[in-house]
Amino acid sequence: DGGITQSPKYLFRKEGQNVTLSCEQNLNHDAMYWYRQDPGQGLRLIYYSQIVNDFQKGDIAEGYSVSREKKESFPLTVTSAQKNPTAFYLCASSIKGPNYEQYFGPGTRLTVT
Amino acid sequence: DAKTTQPTSMDCAEGRAANLPCNHSTISGNEYVYWYRQIHSQGPQYIIHGLKNNETNEMASLIITEDRKSSTLILPHATLRDTAVYYCIVRVARSLDYGGATNKLIFGTGTLLAVQP
Repeated sequence: DGGITQSPKYLFRKEGQNVTLSCEQNLNHDAMYWYRQDPGQGLRLIYYSQIVNDFQKGDIAEGYSVSREKKESFPLTVTSAQKNPTAFYLCASSIKGPNYEQYFGPGTRLTVT
Repeated sequence: DAKTTQPTSMDCAEGRAANLPCNHSTISGNEYVYWYRQIHSQGPQYIIHGLKNNETNEMASLIITEDRKSSTLILPHATLRDTAVYYCIVRVARSLDYGGATNKLIFGTGTLLAVQP
């Protein structure tokens, strides 16, 4: 089955701890994205990557970091510098290019207390 | 990317057509209209997109007005599983910038479609 997997579905952390969210895809897509969604809101872009070993900041990158060492994987680290980390995090991938739809994973709900 | 306006919520009876409107009066000539939907606590799902012609696929139809200032997503026979938030997005499709900015999806708050039994 081709698709995007995110794990875990629910994640709980104490304030001040860094946490890494997993995103894996077997669609052979070059481009991958991380979005954040807050209750009742649309999605906001955190980081994106068009190719291995390259990534760019999105609209709300502060307090987050990413890596893209493999085409299939695009992990997101939520650092202690992120002031409001509790949110629903969504990973997506697409064929590289300007007019291809993005395929989304099931999301990870992170709660920081 | 152009801003879109959608109603906050809509109801539809099961088995009937659901018509979801979207206003994008500031759309530019090279901007496409995309529709995604998000079922509660899941990732968004791509539905359909178009530039100026009407489009149809196995999920839905997209009707774009001649002046392209608005569009309607049509689910021909809504089922309870179609209950979701539907997002209308306009975005540029061009090859000038492979840095990813033109692939960015700007989601608004969408329309919550509630299909009633």
